[in-house]
Amino acid sequence: KNEVEQSPQNLTAQEGEFITINCSYSVGISALHWLQQHPGGGIVSLFMLSSGKKKHGRLIATINIQEKHSSLHITASHPRDSAVYICAVKGGKETSGSRLTFGEGTQLTVNP
Amino acid sequence: NAGVTQTPKFRVLKTGQSMTLLCAQDMNHEYMYWYRQDPGMGLRLIHYSVGEGTTAKGEVPDGYNVSRLKKQNFLLGLESAAPSQTSVYFCASNRRAQNTEAFFGQGTRLTVV
Repeated sequence: KNEVEQSPQNLTAQEGEFITINCSYSVGISALHWLQQHPGGGIVSLFMLSSGKKKHGRLIATINIQEKHSSLHITASHPRDSAVYICAVKGGKETSGSRLTFGEGTQLTVNP
Repeated sequence: NAGVTQTPKFRVLKTGQSMTLLCAQDMNHEYMYWYRQDPGMGLRLIHYSVGEGTTAKGEVPDGYNVSRLKKQNFLLGLESAAPSQTSVYFCASNRRAQNTEAFFGQGTRLTVV
């Protein structure tokens, strides 16, 4: 079992729909990252969370440390949101150069 | 401000050839990383560095070597490329502080034939 599990693996939505991507992890963490990867492009950081909730525009990220679970929500989805969304966690101890452990990613396609 | 820059962006190698991927960051970050991304798998750590002159192995270091002679540069070398090293390679960097944002390069798509 991977230390970081994302669901769903693939998600297709219609423009305007509310989208949720989930991330569960099995290790103690100090922070969780949500990343975005566009086709053929690099990876950009969307959020870094250690507790509670963060919002940036139409994107909202939440984390429940006790349940070892995080969600990424997209409100009023748009075709330009189509990308791979990646969850990554940083371990609770300052070891190994602050390495991240990644989920496999969720491929989101938003149709017009 | 360029952030993290990887060169080259694409490369095709023949089995047995060698090459070096360059990662450069202009944010004065202490930590730098090389990852590979393969279909159906999350990014996996190849090697990392916590400062100039220091490197360490990650999850999948075999077949790769690295060097960090200057703080801003982290080089990934393939001495004798194999088809199993066909992948997309990402460099990343961040500050030393406990929980900081990670910055990624645009990736290098490497094909070994």
